[in-house]
Amino acid sequence: EIVLTQSPGTLSLSPGERATLSCRASQSVSSSYLAWYQQKPGQAPRLLIYGASTRATGIPDRFSGSGSGTDFTLTISRLEPEDFAVYYCQQYCCSPITFGGGTKVEIK
Amino acid sequence: QVQLQESGPGLVKPSETLSLTCTVSGGSISSYYWNWIRQPPGKGLEWIGYVYSSGSTNYNPSLKSRVTISLDTSKNLSSLKLSSVTSTDTAVYYCARGTGWLAQNWGQGTLVTVSS
Repeated sequence: EIVLTQSPGTLSLSPGERATLSCRASQSVSSSYLAWYQQKPGQAPRLLIYGASTRATGIPDRFSGSGSGTDFTLTISRLEPEDFAVYYCQQYCCSPITFGGGTKVEIK
Repeated sequence: QVQLQESGPGLVKPSETLSLTCTVSGGSISSYYWNWIRQPPGKGLEWIGYVYSSGSTNYNPSLKSRVTISLDTSKNLSSLKLSSVTSTDTAVYYCARGTGWLAQNWGQGTLVTVSS
């Protein structure tokens, strides 16, 4: 099983600042089958990024993903008020599909 | 725009079977993977398993002995059954549609509490 470790656990930032979230895998994620999801309280997760760097339909370009192998990053270039949420990474290359523990981006 | 809606009992007794359905509207069941994912209150996401439109399934080994996921193409829905539940199965249960193993479209989720 591929274990995904996200860091930091909580990120305290102000609107307009840049957010950098990390996801490290216990083994290589083949073909960069790595996704990022955003979840707000009381809502289902929303797909942001797949294939490590491809934005899903309707996702603003302030969200970007990068990385390969075992190290992946989600960057939010300038935080908008609606971006404060929990973010999860997920690998979907290998069974069982696994998620990271999440990073909460909170308002400083 | 496809919409997914989970439904089923919100309360299940310990040792009984949890049964949920995911009704699909605005899209076909064909050629997609239908995932079930759960989230205990205040915790992270756990993949339960999927059924492909062909009927093939893949389950999380941690739950495999207790899980059955199926499709009813005539009713455009997916079903989840989880047997012998305990309090640790209390969670919000989501269904999600995907191409490949990627969960692209999610239902709003339904909270299931295991308690006597």
